[in-house]
Amino acid sequence: GQNIDQPTEMTATEGAIVQINCTYQTSGFNGLFWYQQHAGEAPTFLSYNVLDGLEEKGRFSSFLSRSKGYSYLLLKELQMKDSASYLCACMRGGSYIPTFGRGTSLIVHP
Amino acid sequence: EAQVTQNPRYLITVTGKKLTVTCSQNMNHEYMSWYRQDPGLGLRQIYYSMNVEVTDKGDVPEGYKVSRKEKRNFPLILESPSPNQTSLYFCASSPFEGQNTEAFFGQGTRLTVV
Repeated sequence: GQNIDQPTEMTATEGAIVQINCTYQTSGFNGLFWYQQHAGEAPTFLSYNVLDGLEEKGRFSSFLSRSKGYSYLLLKELQMKDSASYLCACMRGGSYIPTFGRGTSLIVHP
Repeated sequence: EAQVTQNPRYLITVTGKKLTVTCSQNMNHEYMSWYRQDPGLGLRQIYYSMNVEVTDKGDVPEGYKVSRKEKRNFPLILESPSPNQTSLYFCASSPFEGQNTEAFFGQGTRLTVV
């Protein structure tokens, strides 16, 4: 089976930094994704981690610790348009289809 | 343009009336899947397919059927829809290119069963 946990909601101020955590338990592990989803729209890919460490991509970075079953998404220089749901997703061993957590709704205010 | 296309985008139907939601991708991807999204429950996988004629149940398959007769198409069939299948549905596809298989999503189908 697979269990993915992330906070339901977070708020932050424009220009600030926010970290969204995700913990997972899975039988086997084939990588972890972060997706962004604006209300009523399709999820869009942000990042993929399969090895331990930090992957940086512009204002967004994603970190993975396989031994701890833990990942985080770091958003810097927050903008109002970053208000969205952030979905953590795992691929279990032997699978190439992601299973998603419930998502974290991020509200950025001025 | 590379894309995943779902139809219809919106559908209101009555209990028990069979319906099909189509999904087509033009990227020659091997993997396709269907998810439903409900408030507080996130994206839950219904069915997935790893290639033509190969389909498997996800986490919430009850009340749904799928088929994969061609690589590009993966329709979702509700033989006898019920109100608890009212939801936002997403189709996704991803290539078999090792592990970094980013999923591409369709625009979603909002289904209401009355």
